[in-house]
Amino acid sequence: KAGVTQTPRYLIKTRGQQVTLSCSPISGHRSVSWYQQTPGQGLQFLFEYFSETQRNKGNFPGRFSGRQFSNSRSEMNVSTLELGDSALYLCASSLSLTGDSTDTQYFGPGTRLTVL
Amino acid sequence: GENVEQHPSTLSVQEGDSAVIKCTYSDSASNYFPWYKQELGKGPQLIIDIRSNVGEKKDQRIAVTLNKTAKHFSLHITETQPEDSAVYFCAGLGSNYQLIWGAGTKLIIKP
Repeated sequence: KAGVTQTPRYLIKTRGQQVTLSCSPISGHRSVSWYQQTPGQGLQFLFEYFSETQRNKGNFPGRFSGRQFSNSRSEMNVSTLELGDSALYLCASSLSLTGDSTDTQYFGPGTRLTVL
Repeated sequence: GENVEQHPSTLSVQEGDSAVIKCTYSDSASNYFPWYKQELGKGPQLIIDIRSNVGEKKDQRIAVTLNKTAKHFSLHITETQPEDSAVYFCAGLGSNYQLIWGAGTKLIIKP
């Protein structure tokens, strides 16, 4: 079956702009999580959506937001972009039957965001 | 706060030799420890995981060991091959049931 897809793959924005990233999970997966990946920092958890509801949130400012649609596709939005927002943004989908993160997460290839 | 420390940040081994990556965690309640492999241009992919009720788990050339008393767990790759070159991440389950990730280890397999 098809894997997790993310669009766009690359994005260049300037400070102060906003951006929307999209993620389509594996068919049947209702949980979508978003991560920010920067060199040397590993993956930082942004938030998780399950059945259109935000179930968990990481320690990111309110400029970072997301939503999930009835078909489980998810979007994340970053407003008022800062230089430090430059990163690879990954989304992962899972069955999440247990409600925690012990179900395998399947990652997309990511969206590379560059803020100039 | 909760965190997972991973060492080394870069590991270079000769093809055919073994590689060991180590992680320590701060949350004693963590009971799930996955390892992910990220190849260039791709997202991370789960390669093996271990839960707190076992001390070791193997899958062909890879194995993970867990020492809950010392709060550390390790990934072992034997008979390394060129396709093992990638960035490896360890993670632990935090108190909010979300994964807390190590900073990653870049594994280089020298021919």
